[in-house]
Amino acid sequence: DTEVTQTPKHLVMGMTNKKSLKCEQHMGHRAMYWYKQKAKKPPELMFVYSYEKLSINESVPSRFSPECPNSSLLNLHLHALQPEDSALYLCASSQDTASGVYNEQFFGPGTRLTVL
Amino acid sequence: AQSVTQLDSQVPVFEEAPVELRCNYSSSVSVYLFWYVQYPNQGLQLLLKYLSGSTLVKGINGFEAEFNKSQTSFHLRKPSVHISDTAEYFCAVSTDAGGTSYGKLTFGQGTILTVHP
Repeated sequence: DTEVTQTPKHLVMGMTNKKSLKCEQHMGHRAMYWYKQKAKKPPELMFVYSYEKLSINESVPSRFSPECPNSSLLNLHLHALQPEDSALYLCASSQDTASGVYNEQFFGPGTRLTVL
Repeated sequence: AQSVTQLDSQVPVFEEAPVELRCNYSSSVSVYLFWYVQYPNQGLQLLLKYLSGSTLVKGINGFEAEFNKSQTSFHLRKPSVHISDTAEYFCAVSTDAGGTSYGKLTFGQGTILTVHP
């Protein structure tokens, strides 16, 4: 199984809502990533989890809260978002982060988030 | 720190014509290079990768790329494109460098390939 799944596919939320994005992989990968992608731009790294521990936070606002309950699951909790947070949120996984050779990342299909 | 430059933001081409999408990287250490494709409203799919060994790498959908260390390039080529190749293509690099590059893929800005009938 070389698939990364993400739910939901689409999400519309108001600025006062709390919602969560979910990501799952069963490839035995020990690194998982959250990216934000705006239209016609490359993915922008938000968070990296390595062995279920947060290893990189790219100065993301606290209204985004990641969680890695186990090695297969990654969540992104959303609260009090702004309209400019509307984007495609991509999850990815890779074997490890110990070496660049392990950074071949497998991406999920993304969640299209709209904040009203 | 590593960086990636994709020299063309848009490449229009006619069906069955050859295409080259250009990618240059900058890094002071050994690199690992990737090309990803993104179809509209989808995630990224790996086309091919260079980790070591032969500098000519073949990927899915008839694409290939050549790693040129002296020119720090990793251009993507296809001898004959199809309408279905219309998508955005991203070049990416990772390294074994530590510091701010640790555990990261650095992406280029992307090239939109449009194949016309």
